Amino acid sequence: QVQLVESGGGVVQPGRSLRLSCAASGFTFSNHGMDWVRQAPGKGLEWVAVISSVVSNDYYADSVKGRFTISRDNSKNTVYLQMNNLRAEDTAVYYCVRDRVPGRAIGTAPGAVFDYWGQGTLVTVSS
Amino acid sequence: DIPLTQSPSSLSASVGDRVTITCRASQGINNYLNWYQQKLGKAPKLLIYDASNLDAGVPSRFSGGGFGTYFTFTISSLQPEDVATYYCQNEGTFGPGTKVVVK
Repeated sequence: QVQLVESGGGVVQPGRSLRLSCAASGFTFSNHGMDWVRQAPGKGLEWVAVISSVVSNDYYADSVKGRFTISRDNSKNTVYLQMNNLRAEDTAVYYCVRDRVPGRAIGTAPGAVFDYWGQGTLVTVSS
Repeated sequence: DIPLTQSPSSLSASVGDRVTITCRASQGINNYLNWYQQKLGKAPKLLIYDASNLDAGVPSRFSGGGFGTYFTFTISSLQPEDVATYYCQNEGTFGPGTKVVVK
């Protein structure tokens, strides 16, 4: 069965960096685009970034562009989110998410569908 | 990104009631509209994709419809386990959510 397991969350001071990891299993990882979606405490869902399956094109929400970098290692079935220059407003649970349809990912083709979600990892940015 | 609005923001209904949530896009998005259920403290779960397709294993009391700018999500007979917040989504945009509680 499909599993997505995030790690790397924690408490970090403003301006510092953190790297999240998401280990995937149960499907052909290299075929699917992968995303990060976050949820601030008591708030709604916010899409953060995507990395496509083909040529690993990446796209970002305006709120994190220039500070966050998504990457993937298909040999390790893992997707990463490097978060630099963290701000208090980045405090959230970060979910690793799979794009349902190979080739249909944000920035690549219309109709992104997020069909599997990890359990989430909490990032708290505080001094 | 195309903004999405949902209504109502919250609702309270009795077990067995029919519940409908609407999601509107500011411009046409074909049928590229998905619905997720998030129970308290849990990750969201995909229920409906491409406006009207039920994801595998999702109970048939859930359904979706619509095209273009207007979409609906319906629970035909509300169950206690349906207490959750429901979100619509198109590309990188989520609606603000609808909290569903049981009277």
